[in-house]
Amino acid sequence: DTGVSQDPRHKITKRGQNVTFRCDPISEHNRLYWYRQTLGQGPEFLTYFQNEAQLEKSRLLSDRFSAERPKGSFSTLEIQRTEQGDSAMYLCASSLGGIWYEQYFGPGTRLTVT
Amino acid sequence: EDQVTQSPEALRLQEGESSSLNCSYTVSGLRGLFWYRQDPGKGPEFLFTLYSAGEEKEKERLKATLTKKESFLHITAPKPEDSATYLCAVSAETSGSRLTFGEGTQLTVNP
Repeated sequence: DTGVSQDPRHKITKRGQNVTFRCDPISEHNRLYWYRQTLGQGPEFLTYFQNEAQLEKSRLLSDRFSAERPKGSFSTLEIQRTEQGDSAMYLCASSLGGIWYEQYFGPGTRLTVT
Repeated sequence: EDQVTQSPEALRLQEGESSSLNCSYTVSGLRGLFWYRQDPGKGPEFLFTLYSAGEEKEKERLKATLTKKESFLHITAPKPEDSATYLCAVSAETSGSRLTFGEGTQLTVNP
């Protein structure tokens, strides 16, 4: 399977705990994106990397959120001191970059904060 | 600010009953308009990209069209397996590489 993969697929955590999600993009894609989706809504942009550089962050991304893409391959999204409002599906996408704007999404990580 | 509005929110069709989904957008400099299909509990699946008014793309029973203000996803003779949420998104010249999504249309096709 050469699509975008995400791990874990589901995460249940208690309020106040830290969580980390991983995304592996399509191998030849140099752009990687994180989105958040709540029930009944479309995905909302969080942040984006070109290779290892984080080029754009949404104002939705509070100080409790941090993302990395250390070697320009996989990426991690960490949420510190989780809150119940953080419960959502966290989606990762990748694209070739340049003139190719199509983003291909992974299966998502469903986070439930209790 | 980029805006994408999809209608209707939900649509129920009988198998074989053709219809259209609407996506209205407001952006400064459209780079591309994208249609995705999303099944429950899964990530969005890419369907089409449209770049300029007048462009059309087809895939099986789906056909996407684009004007300067809106896009339509036409579904011809749908089957139950076409049931899903269809999402529309735009990429704008003033918004970097992010996609701005609408809230989606939940399509149910009854046998």
